[in-house]
Amino acid sequence: DTGVSQNPRHKITKRGQNVTFRCDPISEHNRLYWYRQTLGQGPEFLTYFQNEAQLEKSRLLSDRFSAERPKGSFSTLEIQRTEQGDSAMYLCASRQTTGHLQETQYFGPGTRLLVL
Amino acid sequence: AQSVTQLDSQVPVFEEAPVELRCNYSSSVSVYLFWYVQYPNQGLQLLLKYLSGSTLVESINGFEAEFNKSQTSFHLRKPSVHISDTAEYFCAVDNTDKLIFGTGTRLQVFP
Repeated sequence: DTGVSQNPRHKITKRGQNVTFRCDPISEHNRLYWYRQTLGQGPEFLTYFQNEAQLEKSRLLSDRFSAERPKGSFSTLEIQRTEQGDSAMYLCASRQTTGHLQETQYFGPGTRLLVL
Repeated sequence: AQSVTQLDSQVPVFEEAPVELRCNYSSSVSVYLFWYVQYPNQGLQLLLKYLSGSTLVESINGFEAEFNKSQTSFHLRKPSVHISDTAEYFCAVDNTDKLIFGTGTRLQVFP
C-alpha cells in the first residue's frame, strides 16, 4: 500500500475556470476527508465521506465546491468559477473506522492550487 | 465548540538543544489529541496521539507530549533536536470525526 495519493500535485488556473482534483485513499479505508490549508494556517475541514455517502460539509464549502465519492473508493473535489481566494493547498485524508477509539487520519501530499 | 491554540508561530533553536511546542485546547467533552508534522511541500504526517490511558505519549523519533486535563494542554517536547526536525508542527483535536487544527508552529533548527 502506497498511502493516500492526490492528483495533480500542482494546478495553476485562471480566475473563472473550473478545476477538479482527485484523491485515492488507502484501499481499505472507508472514510475520506477533504481539508484546505492556506498560507500560514492550519488545515481547515471541508467535507467527509463514509463510503460513498457525504456525511458533513463545512460552511467553507460554498456552492462553487462539490465533492463526490461515487463508488466509495476515490474522491473528486471540483471548484467551479475559481476565484483568487481559492488559492490554497487541498489535502485529502482517509481512515478506517473500527467503532472503538479514534483511528489515525492519514494525509496525502496535497494539491496546491494557484488561481491567477 | 472545540478549538486549538498554538501560542508560538515560530520557534528557533540550536541543534541538540531541548524544545517545547505549546498547544492548548478547549473542549467540553472527552478529547483525542494529535500532533502532526509537515515538511516543506509535503502533506501531514502523524507524529503522536493521545486517545486514552497514559498521559505521556511518545513518538519513534524522540518527541513526546503530555496530556494535561487540568491545564487543557498537550505540549510537545524533545530533549535534543536535530537539523532534520525543521518543519511545521500542528496540534489537532478530533471533533466528532473531523480534525480541528491549530495554526501551526514553525520549528527552525540551526547548526
